[in-house]
Amino acid sequence: AQKITQTQPGMFVQEKEAVTLDCTYDTSDQSYGLFWYKQPSSGEMIFLIYQGSYDEQNATEGRYSLNFQKARKSANLVISASQLGDSAMYFCAMREGPDNYGQNFVFGPGTRLSVLP
Amino acid sequence: GAVVSQHPSRVICKSGTSVKIECRSLDFQATTMFWYRQFPKQSLMLMATSNEGSKATYEQGVEKDKFLINHASLTLSTLTVTSAHPEDSSFYICSAVRDGHTDTQYFGPGTRLTVL
Repeated sequence: AQKITQTQPGMFVQEKEAVTLDCTYDTSDQSYGLFWYKQPSSGEMIFLIYQGSYDEQNATEGRYSLNFQKARKSANLVISASQLGDSAMYFCAMREGPDNYGQNFVFGPGTRLSVLP
Repeated sequence: GAVVSQHPSRVICKSGTSVKIECRSLDFQATTMFWYRQFPKQSLMLMATSNEGSKATYEQGVEKDKFLINHASLTLSTLTVTSAHPEDSSFYICSAVRDGHTDTQYFGPGTRLTVL
């Protein structure tokens, strides 16, 4: 079974509008972490935002916010005021277990976001 | 802070040759590093976990004799693709866990390998 599901292979959004990228996850661990990364065409993975499973508040980082709904096991990324430079692949990832060494990430299939001028 | 570099960024080699890719944490120590592989338009797939001073742990289906990993210091892990073949052409990305900050990983910029 897929541990991370991103149901939107591609998304379009008009510049300056907000967009939500979906992510659902599957884990039986009580302690885990959820991440969003941006991968532009250059290939580097750019960290955007992190949500710990015990964090009660939704994470926010500038124009990025994570809509964390624990009961639904969803961790959607919201980008406000989209910019042309936001066009990229976006990956949702999960680290299962508490903060320990050797905890690898599981990545979702990604969503390609295109921002239209 | 927390910068990870990879060298080379791009390499083209002939079939049958070996290629070494370096992953360095520039401003922090990393006991643990990870190596991922990414095919075009696909997600990252974990290949192996590299721990300083010990043998790497490979994911199922990854040939350890083909993808040699050496984590000789707290700032350097190397991935050697031995006897490379065209099907090994891919984008290889490493990440490092900063000692004392184990909640996230810091990714290198990736290495694009093309085997002719």
